[in-house]
Amino acid sequence: DQQVKQNSPSLSVQEGRISILNCDYTNSMFDYFLWYKKYPAEGPTFLISISSIKDKNEDGRFTVFLNKSAKHLSLHIVPSQPGDSAVYFCAASEEGGSQGNLIFGKGTKLSVKP
Amino acid sequence: DAGVTQSPTHLIKTRGQQVTLRCSPKSGHDTVSWYQQALGQGPQFIFQYYEEEERQRGNFPDRFSGHQFPNYSSELNVNALLLGDSALYLCASSETGYGGYTFGSGTRLTVV
Repeated sequence: DQQVKQNSPSLSVQEGRISILNCDYTNSMFDYFLWYKKYPAEGPTFLISISSIKDKNEDGRFTVFLNKSAKHLSLHIVPSQPGDSAVYFCAASEEGGSQGNLIFGKGTKLSVKP
Repeated sequence: DAGVTQSPTHLIKTRGQQVTLRCSPKSGHDTVSWYQQALGQGPQFIFQYYEEEERQRGNFPDRFSGHQFPNYSSELNVNALLLGDSALYLCASSETGYGGYTFGSGTRLTVV
């Protein structure tokens, strides 16, 4: 039973356009959500996070939106760059970002084409 | 400032053997968590160590055990290896009370 779902295994976007990565969750106890980016042969790198008390968090080209009623979050990358090509993981926690274990989705592979 | 360091980077073991993986956390971090990432899957939480004690544990059998040392470094031990234990093992460190983990590059374990 997957508590965090990323239903799109892959996404292809043209450079300069917007990339939208989606994530759904089932556990209403999750109170903290994170996005990680992973390049081959490297560990996941923290990208951006959002607390359940917010509905939007922005950091440069990256924005995460949280819709608690729909149990859905999304990551927007604007504008997309070829260096953004990687696997993106959505993760959730019941106890904040560092004290609880993270539940990860299966990831979405983003390809940004020049 | 070194991030999270894991060793070895790659390892091949035979079914039934035992393996020990090592992790040095990022400077200033006191909490270490271990994750298993099978091919095509997201990382799965194994356990978390803080103050040399196992603080939380995921749904993994007792064959998986760990240890944290006074310098906050950690080991993951897996006994009686199965083919299904083949995966990327990720170590993540954090500072208690602050959000976000820093992950290492992982140890790729292959069981044959």
